[in-house]
Amino acid sequence: DGGITQSPKYLFRKEGQNVTLSCEQNLNHDAMYWYRQDPGQGLRLIYYSQIVNDFQKGDIAEGYSVSREKKESFPLTVTSAQKNPTAFYLCASSILPVASHGYTFGSGTRLTVV
Amino acid sequence: DQQVKQNSPSLSVQEGRISILNCDYTNSMFDYFLWYKKYPAEGPTFLISISSIKDKNEDGRFTVFLNKSAKHLSLHIVPSQPGDSAVYFCAASDRGSRLTFGEGTQLTVNP
Repeated sequence: DGGITQSPKYLFRKEGQNVTLSCEQNLNHDAMYWYRQDPGQGLRLIYYSQIVNDFQKGDIAEGYSVSREKKESFPLTVTSAQKNPTAFYLCASSILPVASHGYTFGSGTRLTVV
Repeated sequence: DQQVKQNSPSLSVQEGRISILNCDYTNSMFDYFLWYKKYPAEGPTFLISISSIKDKNEDGRFTVFLNKSAKHLSLHIVPSQPGDSAVYFCAASDRGSRLTFGEGTQLTVNP
């Protein structure tokens, strides 16, 4: 079954620590994305990648970093510089252009800073 | 600059009645519009899309209407069912590699 997998589902981080969220897809999609969901603010784009070894900042990239060493994988690191990291993080993938196909989303990771 | 806006944070309807969710946009370069449905603690799932050259697209109980002159689209669900209770996101594609999402509308369908 083709799909996109995020892990872990729940993650707790102490203040000052970096943490990495995993995202893997076996859909052979070229593009991958990271979004953050906060109540009342919809989905905000953190980073996206259209091709291996290349990625672009989204609207709220500060305090985050990504890599795209393989087509299937697009991990997101939430660094200690991110001032308000507690949120629900969503990874997505897509063929290009996005057009009517849209994204396929993973099931999300809930990150909580303790 | 919020290019896609959903002005109603919530909507409540009775089972069997019509649900109408609205979305406004500002960017005339958007070429496709999409609706996603999201349950709590899950990723959004694609519902239906419409090309900017069309004014209506229908798929079962779901119909999306596009009014380009008003830069407005709406999702109609008929008849509404309790399982339709979820957050609905409107999104738009700008002929490229990313979607822009609205804030979402929480739909509650009461039995």
